Amino acid sequence: QKEVEQNSGPLSVPEGAIASLNCTYSDRGSQSFFWYRQYSGKSPELIMFIYSNGDKEDGRFTAQLNKASQYVSLLIRDSQPSDSATYLCAVNSERNYGQNFVFGPGTRLSVLP
Amino acid sequence: DGGITQSPKYLFRKEGQNVTLSCEQNLNHDAMYWYRQDPGQGLRLIYYSQIVNDFQKGDIAEGYSVSREKKESFPLTVTSAQKNPTAFYLCASSMGSGGANTGELFFGEGSRLTVL
Repeated sequence: QKEVEQNSGPLSVPEGAIASLNCTYSDRGSQSFFWYRQYSGKSPELIMFIYSNGDKEDGRFTAQLNKASQYVSLLIRDSQPSDSATYLCAVNSERNYGQNFVFGPGTRLSVLP
Repeated sequence: DGGITQSPKYLFRKEGQNVTLSCEQNLNHDAMYWYRQDPGQGLRLIYYSQIVNDFQKGDIAEGYSVSREKKESFPLTVTSAQKNPTAFYLCASSMGSGGANTGELFFGEGSRLTVL
């Protein structure tokens, strides 16, 4: 059974703080990992992707991957009220001739001014 | 501008009616997907297609049908057999991973279906 798990939140942090979002997955064959941000009533937009163990930084965002622990996280530094959204973790493994994305339920982040 | 276009954005349906949601992409992507999202929940896969004239059931295909006659188009029909169709429907596409491709999903803006 393929599963991706996230804390549903809401996770509340003050403006300027670091927000830490966590995701675990069950399929050891998973190869690529994505973080999407979704504002209420809108479609998801890609924030970060990561393939290799370790950290990957892009501006205020850092994705961390630990395949041995089957764990991927997203850190948001200097959180802004505009970061308030639901963050979806997606895990991808190639099966047969295609790709298979599995999404977690999302973590709702609230950044308080 | 390349992207994915879904229509209609909002749709109301009476019980017992079939409705078709349109999804068109000009990204030249091979793979296309339909997801359903219920309030406060993640995305659940309905159907996906890796190539023209081929598609596979996802986790919640019952009560839905699709076609893939053209690379650019992947319409979803919500049939009367779908017992609880009120939801937010998202179409997505991807080129695939490997090389310079990230394998990410690109999403349309979504279609919100309400059953009256």
